[in-house]
Amino acid sequence: AQSVTQPDIHITVSEGASLELRCNYSYGATPYLFWYVQSPGQGLQLLLKYFSGDTLVQGIKGFEAEFKRSQSSFNLRKPSVHWSDAAEYFCAGPKRYGGSQGNLIFGKGTKLSVKP
Amino acid sequence: NAGVTQTPKFRVLKTGQSMTLLCAQDMNHEYMYWYRQDPGMGLRLIHYSVGEGTTAKGEVPDGYNVSRLKKQNFLLGLESAAPSQTSVYFCASSYSPQDSIKETQYFGPGTRLLVL
Repeated sequence: AQSVTQPDIHITVSEGASLELRCNYSYGATPYLFWYVQSPGQGLQLLLKYFSGDTLVQGIKGFEAEFKRSQSSFNLRKPSVHWSDAAEYFCAGPKRYGGSQGNLIFGKGTKLSVKP
Repeated sequence: NAGVTQTPKFRVLKTGQSMTLLCAQDMNHEYMYWYRQDPGMGLRLIHYSVGEGTTAKGEVPDGYNVSRLKKQNFLLGLESAAPSQTSVYFCASSYSPQDSIKETQYFGPGTRLLVL
């Protein structure tokens, strides 16, 4: 069955430290994969997406993600976290009903807290 | 471009009252979606549309109706509001003919609804 899983509900990192948020997927074929960020009281903003080619994807706000087929993972990383990165992060993949109708499966989200 | 806009931003209803949430997009997207977001439940798809004049049910459609009379607008209606419909509602849109990935969704800022 198609699924996207975020194993960590809440992560706390110190400002300036590196960050890695985990996402695992289960699909029959290589899927498109997305990372979204939701700041408090805001809608979801697209950080980056993977669809083919280079497995290291660069996104906005200094984020990157690496697609690893062998580990069924698409982890989000940032080398140095800023206090403004405190938010909830969602990994997503396509939900296909035969053909594509643009639907997404979202992970449950990982809330990131940043310590000063 | 305004992207995806939602009105109203916040609303309080009494049980049994009706209301309509409006979503508008200026990206010429074919597909539009309504989600609700509740603590611990993540994002759940209510209804979606793959084109003007079409609608389809998502995961949690009961108690809601939708209409897509114009390509740029997607309306979510609550005919008789219940306290269980207290939530944050997000609209999203995706897919223009130039896009290679139909699932790249863009979100509105959300509508907070409180049903007393």
